[in-house]
Amino acid sequence: KAGVTQTPRYLIKTRGQQVTLSCSPISGHRSVSWYQQTPGQGLQFLFEYFSETQRNKGNFPGRFSGRQFSNSRSEMNVSTLELGDSALYLCASSLDTTTHNEQFFGPGTRLTVL
Amino acid sequence: DQQVKQNSPSLSVQEGRISILNCDYTNSMFDYFLWYKKYPAEGPTFLISISSIKDKNEDGRFTVFLNKSAKHLSLHIVPSQPGDSAVYFCAAIPYSGTYKYIFGTGTRLKVLA
Repeated sequence: KAGVTQTPRYLIKTRGQQVTLSCSPISGHRSVSWYQQTPGQGLQFLFEYFSETQRNKGNFPGRFSGRQFSNSRSEMNVSTLELGDSALYLCASSLDTTTHNEQFFGPGTRLTVL
Repeated sequence: DQQVKQNSPSLSVQEGRISILNCDYTNSMFDYFLWYKKYPAEGPTFLISISSIKDKNEDGRFTVFLNKSAKHLSLHIVPSQPGDSAVYFCAAIPYSGTYKYIFGTGTRLKVLA
């Protein structure tokens, strides 16, 4: 079974630009979450999507947005990039049951904002 | 406001000895806890978890202990192996049915051969 895939793996942008990151979950997983990892901050929750609907949201500004498609693939978009947005962006997928299923993470997209 | 804290950014242990990684949390309503391991250039991988109704869970060389009164979680690795060298994150789930994991800042474990 293929794991979570994220594209691109590396990205360099300049301040003010926008960026779109893509995530393909494990087949059959309908929940997709996004996290931002920066040094010293650990993984910060951005948002979670299930059945094309945002189900949970973290404390990030509106410049960070996402969506999920009918095949469960998800994208996140960051507009008006700032230097502080440089980070590793991780996507995780999970089966959606009432139990505490663990999340399976992709390798991440390393975004550098110059 | 960091609700889940890993106060040791790094830890070095001799091969064969015990590694103890610690995690403290502030919210007594947290329902479930997990440990993830992360190698460079890879995403975190699930290691072990524990429900708030238990105080211990064991899986091979890995044991997680939960002390609810102290709001403290620890991961024991016995015996430690060089392949265990990685960054370890603890995570908490604030309530049942959510995937909004709250992660700690991570502890880098180095197991010396």
